[in-house]
Amino acid sequence: IAGITQAPTSQILAAGRRMTLRCTQDMRHNAMYWYRQDLGLGLRLIHYSNTAGTTGKGEVPDGYSVSRANTDDFPLTLASAVPSQTSVYFCASSDRGDSTDTQYFGPGTRLTVL
Amino acid sequence: GQNIDQPTEMTATEGAIVQINCTYQTSGFNGLFWYQQHAGEAPTFLSYNVLDGLEEKGRFSSFLSRSKGYSYLLLKELQMKDSASYLCAVTNGDYKLSFGAGTTVTVRA
Repeated sequence: IAGITQAPTSQILAAGRRMTLRCTQDMRHNAMYWYRQDLGLGLRLIHYSNTAGTTGKGEVPDGYSVSRANTDDFPLTLASAVPSQTSVYFCASSDRGDSTDTQYFGPGTRLTVL
Repeated sequence: GQNIDQPTEMTATEGAIVQINCTYQTSGFNGLFWYQQHAGEAPTFLSYNVLDGLEEKGRFSSFLSRSKGYSYLLLKELQMKDSASYLCAVTNGDYKLSFGAGTTVTVRA
């Protein structure tokens, strides 16, 4: 049982470059989320998707975009990376997508933008 | 918006009890989660409270008081493997979880 997989595990990226972080779940969950985790700030929601074909903005969406073409995949794209986007990125999913639902997290991607 | 406060760090001895407090202010409330996160790993679900009172799961218990905007996570019979960060998260019914910064618990022999 894989659950949620993320790729790459880590990446060093030059500022101004485009980068896509991949996230795939095999639990057939309706909802998926992207968070970033920074020291002292906790997890902050970037974008979310309640169901395939729909997306929404979270707390810190600027500089990021997402798509949800199917149930399993939810890629996060940084169009032009900046150093402030250095962080650990976690993808998560939940079954029903309502606010009382447990979220399951992937292993994370550690991104460094120089 | 949400404002969630929890202590930054706590240290306890193996076999002891530790209580991690979480206070929150929210424009709406639809439940509170506790997650555990070991260093370098993903957060994993511990508990969910939506009604006032205590929920017990083995060595871990979680308490909620909605009127006070307060929750705590109680870890009993501490083990070395309990050294981790514990994240308090509040949901306000719009598909979004707001997380506190987390409490790092260090268990010493």
